[in-house]
Amino acid sequence: KQEVTQIPAALSVPEGENLVLNCSFTDSAIYNLQWFRQDPGKGLTSLLLIQSSQREQTSGRLNASLDKSSGRSTLYIAASQPGDSATYLCAVPGGAGTALIFGKGTTLSVSS
Amino acid sequence: GAVVSQHPSWVICKSGTSVKIECRSLDFQATTMFWYRQFPKQSLMLMATSNEGSKATYEQGVEKDKFLINHASLTLSTLTVTSAHPEDSSFYICSARDLRGDYGYTFGSGTRLTVV
Repeated sequence: KQEVTQIPAALSVPEGENLVLNCSFTDSAIYNLQWFRQDPGKGLTSLLLIQSSQREQTSGRLNASLDKSSGRSTLYIAASQPGDSATYLCAVPGGAGTALIFGKGTTLSVSS
Repeated sequence: GAVVSQHPSWVICKSGTSVKIECRSLDFQATTMFWYRQFPKQSLMLMATSNEGSKATYEQGVEKDKFLINHASLTLSTLTVTSAHPEDSSFYICSARDLRGDYGYTFGSGTRLTVV
C-alpha cells in the first residue's frame, strides 16, 4: 500500500531564505507526483505536476524534483516571501485514475 | 489550465435539513471526481469516488445514505448531506482529473458546512 511522508511537518524561516521541502513515497511505481499548496480554510492549489518520466519541473521560484528509484521528491522554494506561508502537500495517485494519496503536509511560515 | 468550480463556499443549515454541494469541471471533462472531508488542522480524508453514470464508491466508514453523491454528467458531481447534524460540520472539497491527465488533479475551493 502506497504511503507518502513529508518532512519537516513545520518550518519557520525569515524572508529571503531558500528552502527545501521533502516528500517520500513507498511504492516507486507512480504515474506522477503533484505538489499542492493549501491556505487556511481554502481548497488546494496545484503548484507543480511531475510525470513519472520527468526528473523535475519549474514554475517561477518553485522547483520540484522527482527520483522514482529512491522514492523521493523535493520542492525547492527560492527567495521565500511571507506570501509563501501555507501548508504544502505532496501527493501521488493510488493507481490509474484513482484518488490521490497525500502526505500530512509541511506547514511553512515565512516571517518578514 | 483545468478549473474546478465548487459551490457554495460556505453554508449554514439547521440540524435535520439537507444540503447540496456542487462541483463542476469548467474547461475539461471529468469521468471521475473525488470528494474529501477535512477537519481543522488535519489531512484530507477521501470520502468517495464519483464516476459519471454509475454509483459512487464510498470509503470504509462513510455512510452512503447520509452522503449522497450524484455524477450525472462529465462536468458535474454533487454531494448531498442528508439529515445533517452538528457532527457533519466540516470542510468538504471536491477534486477532478482531466481525461488525459495533462493537468493532474484539480481541486475545488471547498465548502465550509456548519450545522446548527
